[in-house]
Amino acid sequence: ETGVTQTPRHLVMGMTNKKSLKCEQHLGHNAMYWYKQSAKKPLELMFVYSLEERVENNSVPSRFSPECPNSSHLFLHLHTLQPEDSALYLCASSLLGTGKPAFFGQGTRLTVV
Amino acid sequence: GESVGLHLPTLSVQEGDNSIINCAYSNSASDYFIWYKQESGKGPQFIIDIRSNMDKRQGQRVTVLLNKTVKHLSLQIAATQPGDSAVYFCAEIPGGYNKLIFGAGTRLAVHP
Repeated sequence: ETGVTQTPRHLVMGMTNKKSLKCEQHLGHNAMYWYKQSAKKPLELMFVYSLEERVENNSVPSRFSPECPNSSHLFLHLHTLQPEDSALYLCASSLLGTGKPAFFGQGTRLTVV
Repeated sequence: GESVGLHLPTLSVQEGDNSIINCAYSNSASDYFIWYKQESGKGPQFIIDIRSNMDKRQGQRVTVLLNKTVKHLSLQIAATQPGDSAVYFCAEIPGGYNKLIFGAGTRLAVHP
């Protein structure tokens, strides 16, 4: 248990659906991240929020929309996804300026049908 | 043709042997490095880290070695156990807001 909780653990959605992934941490961290892990590529950074401000958007398609309402919560809103978006979506958090590592959640296994 | 899956290098070891997993990193400006372990169906789990002002750091049964000259990182696991079977990733941080850049990973298979 890392202290980073992701829900749901598994999600199956159609290409016309809208869904959201949730990430929550109560570690006092002030940076949160979304990573994508697929069978075809290594871990890819998608978004970074530092002090609730998005500081990185790694050329991610607009069908993925992140939201960070406060330092403890991070969402990834999904709409009109494609089958190739099926992957494990991992959330991580860290405390900036401390030299401590980021901690990951267990991930949401997303399948787009 | 297109690959149907990410082919990870695999290290197979006997239980009780020592394991060495290697990683080459890309950015000379990276000053912080982390090893993560990922078991099937789980997120990456922190194992050990090292800063660029060190060349060796030891933890419980694990040692990380850093060679900045050739941009190489290694993870040594002593007396490898079946529970060590997982995919191991190295990650580098060029600085700033802890943006992790991951390597492709190595699968460790421990045989009894």
